[in-house]
Amino acid sequence: ETGVTQTPRHLVMGMTNKKSLKCEQHLGHNAMYWYKQSAKKPLELMFVYSLEERVENNSVPSRFSPECPNSSHLFLHLHTLQPEDSALYLCASSPSRDRGRDEKLFFGSGTQLSVL
Amino acid sequence: AQKITQTQPGMFVQEKEAVTLDCTYDTSDPSYGLFWYKQPSSGEMIFLIYQGSYDQQNATEGRYSLNFQKARKSANLVISASQLGDSAMYFCAMREIGATGGFKTIFGAGTRLFVKA
Repeated sequence: ETGVTQTPRHLVMGMTNKKSLKCEQHLGHNAMYWYKQSAKKPLELMFVYSLEERVENNSVPSRFSPECPNSSHLFLHLHTLQPEDSALYLCASSPSRDRGRDEKLFFGSGTQLSVL
Repeated sequence: AQKITQTQPGMFVQEKEAVTLDCTYDTSDPSYGLFWYKQPSSGEMIFLIYQGSYDQQNATEGRYSLNFQKARKSANLVISASQLGDSAMYFCAMREIGATGGFKTIFGAGTRLFVKA
């Protein structure tokens, strides 16, 4: 069993749909992250949660709505998306957001999202 | 302005040879960490190697080594004895204190490595 699990692996949705991405980590970490990976662009940090509290929102449009009900689960709720939102959405976790510069991230396999 | 720059969109290397993937970074923070991650076609990002800004020696992890040149702000990844399974995307990343406090990890655009048999 991998440490960070994301579902679904693939998602196709229309611009009027509402869907959710799910991330679950089994590592006992306190920090969780959403990244967006578009073709030929650096990974973009979207949201950071520390101990279930959102501590960072990097100017993400409101059509993306994160939720962290507990330290093991992270959701990304999607509604009225645009075609340019098509990308690979990666969830990651780390032991702590504040502990140090040497903390590596543990990633899930991502959800490949296509918006039609 | 980009904080992590990877100038090689794609690289080819012959199996069993060594290859260097370039990475330069920009920060005013004296304390930071540098990472390399590998992303195979399955999508999952896999940690390879870490270098702290105060570390005197270059980091090594098996076939991976990091050529850290602090004054030039470069952190190149060297893969020795390339294997077919090394074909993947490689991302350079930096962890530093964010504007809101707490650490954040930012990534470069990546380099796709192709290993030829």
